[in-house]
Amino acid sequence: QSALTQPPSASGSPGRSVTISCTGTSSDVGYYDYVSWYQHHPGKAPKLIIHEVSKRPSGVPDRFSGSKSGNTASLTVSGLQADDEADYYCASYAGSITVFGTGTKVTVL
Amino acid sequence: QVQLVESGGGLVQPGRSLRLSCAASGFTFSEHAMYWVRQAPGKGLQWVALISYDGRNIYYADSVKGRFTISRDNSQKTVYLHMNSLRGDDTAIYYCARDQFLAPDVWGQGILVTVSS
Repeated sequence: QSALTQPPSASGSPGRSVTISCTGTSSDVGYYDYVSWYQHHPGKAPKLIIHEVSKRPSGVPDRFSGSKSGNTASLTVSGLQADDEADYYCASYAGSITVFGTGTKVTVL
Repeated sequence: QVQLVESGGGLVQPGRSLRLSCAASGFTFSEHAMYWVRQAPGKGLQWVALISYDGRNIYYADSVKGRFTISRDNSQKTVYLHMNSLRGDDTAIYYCARDQFLAPDVWGQGILVTVSS
């Protein structure tokens, strides 16, 4: 049950894009197409922004997109806005358990 | 609207027990598996436990197995987390979350549990 690996931080200017990686193993990210991404503003409930690798829940803008290649999933935030500054976590279903990523703090410069 | 509200947190001494509750509203509770997820101070999110929609299938993280018990009452639309033999490293904000797409989709605001003497 090791955590998925994310970079601790990422940053970008308003209007630019930032991509966050999420590296797991062939037992989680690489095996299942059930990778999800969460936006977490401190003090608030985490918000689901991507599920099943690349699907957006209703109400999530298309500035958020997800993909996967092998054991690594990625989240891209395009057209960065001030409110995108938050912690982002990936998660993967791993056969009856869920593994979260280590988290990435996104800063909008 | 869909809402999850946790309760039962607080300060507890090491070795003692605590029970968290999560009341659901705005959706058909009995059709969804439910999670508990925690975040220790300065740390990331950690999956704790999962219970199936009918309570028949239950899974735990290794770090809490044998000490924590997840349960649910579909008639009360509530999921519980019974925590025994609490340790300092159990100190965290505990979130309950609904399962959708084999992922937590809607989360509560969280409840703080502090384990300290």
